[in-house]
Amino acid sequence: AQSVSQHNHHVILSEAASLELGCNYSYGGTVNLFWYVQYPGQHLQLLLKYFSGDPLVKGIKGFEAEFIKSKFSFNLRKPSVQWSDTAEYFCAVECCKLIWGLGTSLAVNP
Amino acid sequence: GAVVSQHPSRVICKSGTSVKIECRSLDFQATTMFWYRQFPKKSLMLMATSNEGSKATYEQGVEKDKFLINHASLTLSTLTVTSAHPEDSSFYICSAERDSGPNQPQHFGDGTRLSIL
Repeated sequence: AQSVSQHNHHVILSEAASLELGCNYSYGGTVNLFWYVQYPGQHLQLLLKYFSGDPLVKGIKGFEAEFIKSKFSFNLRKPSVQWSDTAEYFCAVECCKLIWGLGTSLAVNP
Repeated sequence: GAVVSQHPSRVICKSGTSVKIECRSLDFQATTMFWYRQFPKKSLMLMATSNEGSKATYEQGVEKDKFLINHASLTLSTLTVTSAHPEDSSFYICSAERDSGPNQPQHFGDGTRLSIL
């Protein structure tokens, strides 16, 4: 069965630290890849997406993600986090339907 | 743009009650809406895909007679939990695709927390 794995369940960083959140999926075919963010008290919002083309995808708020097909990975990165990045981050993979990771809770200390 | 409104945000009912949750796309037409359920510490689980003017497509293991979905217009889909029981308590989230065709991101409502006593 298809699945999505987010390795980091809770991440705590200081402001200006670099961020990398892992996302791996299990599906051998063509996929669309998404990172969604949920700020406290708000709904899920699209952060970035990959459908095809350049595997390095730039998203909003300085986030980027790299699709590495050979590793079945789509890790999310940001060079320097801010306190306002404190949120829950979800990786989702669409093969036949959208399949979600469990989410990673990020807390950034000011 | 692409705002999805979900109502109510919180509902507490007695066991045996039927509960209706509305999902509206406020500034766009959504031919396809999705209903998800999220258990604590679990990922979002797709319950069904709702297409305007046709029957919803339910995921395996989801009782269609228990979770009635109606997508009567391009801006409204409803999920009715019939004769709800405590095990139906959960967080229900809807989403909508703004444009038709492949490779479209989903836009999410705020979710409805359902508690059945």
